[in-house]
Amino acid sequence: AQSVTQPDIHITVSEGASLELRCNYSYGATPYLFWYVQSPGQGLQLLLKYFSGDTLVQGIKGFEAEFKRSQSSFNLRKPSVHWSDAAEYFCAVGPWFGNEKLTFGTGTRLTIIP
Amino acid sequence: DGGITQSPKYLFRKEGQNVTLSCEQNLNHDAMYWYRQDPGQGLRLIYYSQIVNDFQKGDIAEGYSVSREKKESFPLTVTSAQKNPTAFYLCASSIPPPGMANQPQHFGDGTRLSIL
Repeated sequence: AQSVTQPDIHITVSEGASLELRCNYSYGATPYLFWYVQSPGQGLQLLLKYFSGDTLVQGIKGFEAEFKRSQSSFNLRKPSVHWSDAAEYFCAVGPWFGNEKLTFGTGTRLTIIP
Repeated sequence: DGGITQSPKYLFRKEGQNVTLSCEQNLNHDAMYWYRQDPGQGLRLIYYSQIVNDFQKGDIAEGYSVSREKKESFPLTVTSAQKNPTAFYLCASSIPPPGMANQPQHFGDGTRLSIL
């Protein structure tokens, strides 16, 4: 069965500091990986996705993520966070083909301090 | 602008009452999904539909029902059999029909359901 683990429930960083959010997955085939962001009371917005090719993918809002097959990881990074990055972040894994379900992690809540 | 509209934003249910959450999309997407979100549990799939007039149970379908009579609409009914319905409900859609390359899901802004 597929699964996603986000080991950090809550992370606090200072504005301007770098950020890394961890995501580990378990999947029986080559995965299709996503990072989504959710502001309070809102839906989820896609930050970036990895399907194939270059293992370092760029997303919106200055985020990037690196796929490491050997570590089953897809960590999200940003070199310098802004106060507006405070939100909850979800990693998800799914198949390449068809509309079989995505599996989401439990999320990491990011707090930014001035 | 194309998108997914969920209504209402807030909904209150009395004990023993069925309520229906609306989800409409104008993205011309084939697949639609309903998720339930509880604090600390991430998103859990309730039902999904890959094409009109067809839908499948997700991980937590008990106490819920859906219909897919039109491509753009996928309403979710929370029945009285759902004993703990208080949660944030998210609707999503994605492009491809079954057997084609997957695409990211697009989400609505959610409906928060509470019990009176």
